[in-house]
Amino acid sequence: QQPVQSPQAVILREGEDAVINCSSSKALYSVHWYRQKHGEAPVFLMILLKGGEQKGHDKISASFNEKKQQSSLYLTASQLSYSGTYFCGTEASGAGSYQLTFGKGTKLSVIP
Amino acid sequence: DAGVTQSPTHLIKTRGQHVTLRCSPISGHKSVSWYQQVLGQGPQFIFQYYEKEERGRGNFPDRFSARQFPNYSSELNVNALLLGDSALYLCASSLRIAGSSGANVLTFGAGSRLTVL
Repeated sequence: QQPVQSPQAVILREGEDAVINCSSSKALYSVHWYRQKHGEAPVFLMILLKGGEQKGHDKISASFNEKKQQSSLYLTASQLSYSGTYFCGTEASGAGSYQLTFGKGTKLSVIP
Repeated sequence: DAGVTQSPTHLIKTRGQHVTLRCSPISGHKSVSWYQQVLGQGPQFIFQYYEKEERGRGNFPDRFSARQFPNYSSELNVNALLLGDSALYLCASSLRIAGSSGANVLTFGAGSRLTVL
């Protein structure tokens, strides 16, 4: 089943912070975050494996709550380059799970 | 190093025709996955191949088929095209197969945009 992302869209001014949430009804092995700009391929941001770890990359970080099967992406001090659609992709636990299931995406627009 | 390369980048077909899309993975990557992305939606899983064997198939009709060659490149074939097949078809390569231990990071190609008229 497709993970649910929220919000669907958000508009920020440069320097503001944002949180994007991803929730799944399945037990997860990992959560992946990608950013896609218009007309381009999705670009990998980070992956979180089960264990509740938090990862960060520059001013973008994420957490994974294994008990709740939820992940959040945190964007701090947003820059114009952060604009795009953010997708979470979930990898289910258990044998035979050979796919990422993506949410519908969160469109982030950063304005000056 | 070259990333994931896909061809063609754009193509227009008519209903009932057949299409073949091609993908070359990153050097050293043995796993190739295919995803369909309809406008405004997230990518939807079609196939995963690892070491030339099909390891996963999404909820797509039998009109969709794929294969992986000894050099790990891959083809996606779609027969009897329907208007609803219009989409961006993304190929992604990875070192590991999904579901195995360790991270399975996908690197996507720029995609093949298919328009069915």
